[in-house]
Amino acid sequence: AQKVTQAQTEISVVEKEDVTLDCVYETRDTTYYLFWYKQPPSGELVFLIRRNSFDEQNEISGRYSWNFQKSTSSFNFTITASQVVDSAVYFCAGGTSYGKLTFGQGTILTVHP
Amino acid sequence: DVKVTQSSRYLVKRTGEKVFLECVQDMDHENMFWYRQDPGLGLRLIYFSYDVKMKEKGDIPEGYSVSREKKERFSLILESASTNQTSMYLCASSLWIVRGREANVLTFGAGSRLTVL
Repeated sequence: AQKVTQAQTEISVVEKEDVTLDCVYETRDTTYYLFWYKQPPSGELVFLIRRNSFDEQNEISGRYSWNFQKSTSSFNFTITASQVVDSAVYFCAGGTSYGKLTFGQGTILTVHP
Repeated sequence: DVKVTQSSRYLVKRTGEKVFLECVQDMDHENMFWYRQDPGLGLRLIYFSYDVKMKEKGDIPEGYSVSREKKERFSLILESASTNQTSMYLCASSLWIVRGREANVLTFGAGSRLTVL
C-alpha cells in the first residue's frame, strides 16, 4: 500500500516570505508518479505538477519550485516570495500509471498581507 | 477547457435516503474517480472506473456503489445514507496513460458537499 505524508498541517507566513511544503511518498513500486494539487477557497483542486519517479530533476515554474529526491522519497514544494493568492490547501499525491492516486492529508497555507 | 461537472454543489439528505451524485466530463477521458474529502484525512478513493461498465473498489467503498453506463458519466450512489457519509465528494477524470504527457493527471470537479441528517 502507498502512503503520503505531508509534514505540515498548517503553515502561516507573511507575504514575500519563502515557504516550503514537505511531502514523503512511501511505496514498494519502482515506477510511480508524484503530484501537487492546490485547492483554493473556491474548492476546486487545481493540478500544479507531475513528476516521474525516474526523473530527479528539480523543476521551477515562476515562483514555484519542486525538489524530488528518490532516495528519501521526498517531493517538496517551495513557493518563493509568497503572495496572498497563494493561500490554499495544498495536496501531495502519488500513484502508478492508471491515475489512481493516494493523497496526503493536505497542508493549509495562509499568507498574511 | 477541460471540464468535469458535478450535478449538485450542496445536498442535504436524511438518514436512510438513497442519494445519487452525478458527474459528467467532456474531455473523452477513459478514467473516472470518486473521492471523498474530510478534514485531516485528505482525499480518499471510493471507486474508480477505467471504461464503460467497468468499476473497481478504492480504499473506502463500503456503503457506496457506482454506475458508468456512458464514457462521459460516472455516478456515485449511496444506497442508504448515513450521518458518517456527510462529506465533500469529488469527482475526477484522467486520460489513459498511453495517450500522452498529461495522461493520469486528474482533473477535478468543483465538488458536492453532502450533509446527512
